[in-house]
Formats: sequence, C-alpha cells, structure tokens
Amino acid sequence: DAGVTQSPTHLIKTRGQQVTLRCSPKSGHDTVSWYQQALGQGPQFIFQYYEEEERQRGNFPDRFSGHQFPNYSSELNVNALLLGDSALYLCASSLRGTGAETQYFGPGTRLLVL
Amino acid sequence: AQSVTQLDSQVPVFEEAPVELRCNYSSSVSVYLFWYVQYPNQGLQLLLKYLSGSTLVKGINGFEAEFNKSQTSFHLRKPSVHISDTAEYFCAVSGLSGGSYIPTFGRGTSLIVHP
Repeated sequence: DAGVTQSPTHLIKTRGQQVTLRCSPKSGHDTVSWYQQALGQGPQFIFQYYEEEERQRGNFPDRFSGHQFPNYSSELNVNALLLGDSALYLCASSLRGTGAETQYFGPGTRLLVL
Repeated sequence: AQSVTQLDSQVPVFEEAPVELRCNYSSSVSVYLFWYVQYPNQGLQLLLKYLSGSTLVKGINGFEAEFNKSQTSFHLRKPSVHISDTAEYFCAVSGLSGGSYIPTFGRGTSLIVHP
C-alpha cells in the first residue's frame, strides 16, 4: 500500500516565477492538506481540500492556491514567488469524518527560491 | 485559537538514558493532541495521539505521553533512548474549526542522542 507521495522532491525557482507541487494521497484517503515548513520551524497549515473544494485555509496569501482532482490527488500552486517562500512543502492525507483526523505525511517537496 | 509551546528547542541525552520532551498547549475548545517525529529529509510520522479516555498514551518505538488537562500539557517520554531516536519531534494540537480538525504544530524539539 503506497503512502503519500509528492513530486518533485526538489525544486529551484527564481523570484516572481510560479510553481506547482503535486501530491497523491494514501490509498483510501479523501482529504488532502498542505503545509509549509520553513527551516527550523514546525509545519504551518496552508489549506485543506475535500471533495474537490478548499474547506479550510490558514494565514497564507492568495498567491497560494490549490486544486483537488476526482481521484483525490492535489496540487499546490504558488504565484509570484518570494525568497521567503523557500521551504519544505508537506502534503498530508486523511480520511474526513473520523473525528481525530490522523494525518499521514508525504516526504515533502523542498523549494528554493533564488 | 489554539497554540502549542515546545519548551525545549534541543534536548541532548546519552544512549539508554530516559528522556522527556515537553509540550504545553492552549485552546478555547476541546482538543486532540499528537506527537510526530521527523527524521532528516523525511516527512512527519505519527508517534502517538490522545483523543480521550486514559491520560497515558502509548505509541510506537517505546514512546509514551501523558495528557494533563489542568496543566494543559502533553509531555512525551521514553525510558531508554537509542541512537536511532535522534530526530526532530513535533507536538501538535487539533481542535474543531469549521467542521474540520486542523492541527497547529509547535516549533519542534531536536532530540540528540549521544553514544
């Protein structure tokens, strides 16, 4: 049973560019959440997708957007990249409605903005 | 609003010694509590979680944690650590918000196990 997978593993972009990160959830999961983990920090919640809609959003600007597909996979898009967007981006999947929302994390995509 | 404070940024310890990683939280609603471990260049892995019931929770790799509601704490313990326990540990609190449980993570505690 494959866990959560993310692509690419690493990415280098320059300021002002746009980036798309991809995530495939654990088999049987229907909810995908995205987190930003800056160096030396804990993960910060960006948003959560369920039934192809954004259900919750953290304190991130509109430059951060996402999408969930019918197969539950998801994309995170970041426009007009800033140096401060350099971080590890984590995707986590879960099964909505279980109450305790145990999340399973992927290995992350490390984004470097130059 | 909810928040998590991990009181130690770094905890050095010798192999086979006991360890405690401290976590305090604040929340206006009832919460679920989690501890995750992150090994270098990897994602987060759930160690254990507290939902309800017994305040002592046992997790994987010999870790356990105790929920203390009056002190709003959820400290992680292991009686005897191994070199392989060297990693970053994150405490997280999850409260119901808008129909979903969204976790808030602490800044992490780096556990360094020396031989």
